[in-house]
Amino acid sequence: SQQGEEDPQALSIQEGENATMNCSYKTSINNLQWYRQNSGRGLVHLILIRSNEREKHSGRLRVTLDTSKKSSSLLITASRAADTASYFCATDGRDDKIIFGKGTRLHILP
Amino acid sequence: ETGVTQSPTHLIKTRGQQVTLRCSSQSGHNTVSWYQQALGQGPQFIFQYYREEENGRGNFPPRFSGLQFPNYSSELNVNALELDDSALYLCASSRGLGEQFFGPGTRLTVL
Repeated sequence: SQQGEEDPQALSIQEGENATMNCSYKTSINNLQWYRQNSGRGLVHLILIRSNEREKHSGRLRVTLDTSKKSSSLLITASRAADTASYFCATDGRDDKIIFGKGTRLHILP
Repeated sequence: ETGVTQSPTHLIKTRGQQVTLRCSSQSGHNTVSWYQQALGQGPQFIFQYYREEENGRGNFPPRFSGLQFPNYSSELNVNALELDDSALYLCASSRGLGEQFFGPGTRLTVL
């Protein structure tokens, strides 16, 4: 079963615009992570946010976490063609297993 | 490049056969996790090995088994292959429960 659910399932935006993806989860977590995957290959770790953190930045990425709503968002600013990929949130909670959502497919239009 | 390698890259098997997939961890990592990713889905946790012992398992039948070796490389074995086993198999290495570094995956097709 999947704990994290990303929203939207797919997103197309113009290059230069900002992209926002959301993730909701069901049970208490220790950490929440965001990953990127290009064309069905290996996942690339983007950012980890701990349950006691509310916001984190890394370059053009901004992640927020609201544990009261059991949700997180990933914002990519000034999108580029190379940002076209699938983005997954992953949570770890009970049993320390990491559980992925189904992902958001982001397409950056030229 | 994450330093995690997987072999083979692609594999085609027929129903009922057995398959072994391999993963070499990043240097210094003692934990390996395996995931199955069906087309259009997120990765599903199969199991994790920590210092050669299984350390957690997802909802996969016993015909999915694994090994971790003293050098922390790992194998995933699947017996009695079924059509639904067709997927991308990903391994990830980490130091304990720290950040996971994923390999490029092995794409398994079962005919």
